Amino acid sequence: DTEVTQTPKHLVMGMTNKKSLKCEQHMGHRAMYWYKQKAKKPPELMFVYSYEKLSINESVPSRFSPECPNSSLLNLHLHALQPEDSALYLCASSQDGGQGYYGYTFGSGTRLTVV
Amino acid sequence: DAKTTQPNSMESNEEEPVHLPCNHSTISGTDYIHWYRQLPSQGPEYVIHGLTSNVNNRMASLAIAEDRKSSTLILHRATLRDAAVYYCILRLYSGAGSYQLTFGKGTKLSVIP
Repeated sequence: DTEVTQTPKHLVMGMTNKKSLKCEQHMGHRAMYWYKQKAKKPPELMFVYSYEKLSINESVPSRFSPECPNSSLLNLHLHALQPEDSALYLCASSQDGGQGYYGYTFGSGTRLTVV
Repeated sequence: DAKTTQPNSMESNEEEPVHLPCNHSTISGTDYIHWYRQLPSQGPEYVIHGLTSNVNNRMASLAIAEDRKSSTLILHRATLRDAAVYYCILRLYSGAGSYQLTFGKGTKLSVIP
């Protein structure tokens, strides 16, 4: 298995809803990442988990809450989002603990629309 | 922060080689150079990465200047499936033993049949 799987592929949520994005990999990778990508823009780093511990939070608003229950799974919990949070949310993983010695494997993303 | 500069767009004819340039004049000695590409409606795909020496894999070659202030991604024979946005990225130290890849604007490559 050489993939990063993200579910759901599409999500529409209201501003008062609570939802979660899920990311899974079974490659034994020890670092996992959340990126946010707006239309026609490059991906922006949100969070980095290294060996299941949060190592980087790029000043992301608290309405986004990451969780890493185990080394294969990464969640992003969403609550009270704004329409401007609508974007493609990408998950990635890498073999090392985030040292950049290896390439990242990205999932195909969850396209989120906040109404 | 060390950053990269790439042309906004490039065109290539199908079945011809493509050289995608990247400038990173403020690179430090430990910054790895990564290249990714992103097709429409897909997540980025790893292409290649290196530190000092030129690198080859089944997808592409990476030529790194001797002073490491620039690099070139080489697609040996462009196909229509290579049309994508190509990102040149530096692995940057973020503190506390952590590193990150921060994407720049990338080069949109168009392949002409």
